[in-house]
Amino acid sequence: GAVVSQHPSWVICKSGTSVKIECRSLDFQATTMFWYRQFPKQSLMLMATSNEGSKATYEQGVEKDKFLINHASLTLSTLTVTSAHPEDSSFYICSARQYRAGELFFGEGSRLTVL
Amino acid sequence: GNSVTQMEGPVTLSEEAFLTINCTYTATGYPSLFWYVQYPGEGLQLLLKATKADDKGSNKGFEATYRKETTSFHLEKGSVQVSDSAVYFCALNYGGSQGNLIFGKGTKLSVKP
Repeated sequence: GAVVSQHPSWVICKSGTSVKIECRSLDFQATTMFWYRQFPKQSLMLMATSNEGSKATYEQGVEKDKFLINHASLTLSTLTVTSAHPEDSSFYICSARQYRAGELFFGEGSRLTVL
Repeated sequence: GNSVTQMEGPVTLSEEAFLTINCTYTATGYPSLFWYVQYPGEGLQLLLKATKADDKGSNKGFEATYRKETTSFHLEKGSVQVSDSAVYFCALNYGGSQGNLIFGKGTKLSVKP
């Protein structure tokens, strides 16, 4: 199947710094990408939907100024956690699809630890 | 609201044992139902899906039937293999876009030789 890759797979940063996580579709053009957050032993929670070339749509309760999403090209979306704090420590997962009704392909996830 | 509840793991089975992972849902309307699998170090992959009541999704020996009367979508496999060891997520789609997925918490399956 199609491949979606995230980078970095894990990152440790100091409180107050910003961290960028990349999500790339390696063998298809992704018109839409999704970002999720997963806490230990919890479900994946949809954070936002990003369409190439337009602003991301955030789910209720997700701070758009805290979690900046940029879908600058058909193969790349980035999630920047700004001024990270320990409570932002989590597992972040992206998914991508080529067509509106197409199958979702997931990245392997990125684990963020904020000290 | 919409939600998915699946049995907590971990589940540990011997090779060739029968597998059932329970999943029940709460939803308004008629959602589509999915099972995703996440192998160690990899992203989630769609395992199977069902889009309407009484549909049976199947793939790689796994099956799940969309039961509207019991609001369930239990995952079953008759004979598991070591290679089936993974985390399994039940999910429902509450909107037109497949991205609007609500996931269960995941069930970790370990199959011992």
